[in-house]
Amino acid sequence: GAGVSQSPSNKVTEKGKDVELRCDPISGHTALYWYRQSLGQGLEFLIYFQGNSAPDKSGLPSDRFSAERTGGSVSTLTIQRTQQEDSAVYLCASSLFQGAGETQYFGPGTRLLVL
Amino acid sequence: AQSVAQPEDQVNVAEGNPLTVKCTYSVSGNPYLFWYVQYPNRGLQFLLKYITGDNLVKGSYGFEAEFNKSQTSFHLKKPSALVSDSALYFCAVRDSLYYGGSQGNLIFGKGTKLSVKP
Repeated sequence: GAGVSQSPSNKVTEKGKDVELRCDPISGHTALYWYRQSLGQGLEFLIYFQGNSAPDKSGLPSDRFSAERTGGSVSTLTIQRTQQEDSAVYLCASSLFQGAGETQYFGPGTRLLVL
Repeated sequence: AQSVAQPEDQVNVAEGNPLTVKCTYSVSGNPYLFWYVQYPNRGLQFLLKYITGDNLVKGSYGFEAEFNKSQTSFHLKKPSALVSDSALYFCAVRDSLYYGGSQGNLIFGKGTKLSVKP
């Protein structure tokens, strides 16, 4: 079946602009995660959604970052007033449930470059 | 605090030779351990995981990993490397003690670049 999809695959923006990144999880998956992968770094957790519960925003690096998940499916990560240090690959993942042993399946990522 | 260490930034192996990519972890409760592979300009692909039970876990593409509780390790192995195995490998852990809380998320290592030469 279809995997996690993300759009756009690449985004170039100017410093100070807002950007929206989209994630379509695997159909039926109730948990959705956002990560950031910076050059030479591992994956940094940003936020996760589980069903209709309040999202865990503990990984968001600043109040310029926000995310929403509509209808328990598609999610949008918004970065306001982008800075050059926001340049990274933003990865979305989903899992069937938000269980400790649940496997997260990743999308191809959105490569963001802030000029 | 939970953490994962991948002590080697890069591992070089000749095709046909066995490969090992090392991973050690630190958790307060029981570990749930995962290996992912990332090919250039691609997302992460799941390889295998350890939850409980047999310490030797077999996964995709002929990879396996051995959970060693006393050494807090979960090294990834393959008996015979292929050039197509060249990629970035990530180890990840979740701590059962913090699961469900803000610290219960998947923690990734910084990755190990595997290079397999013909």
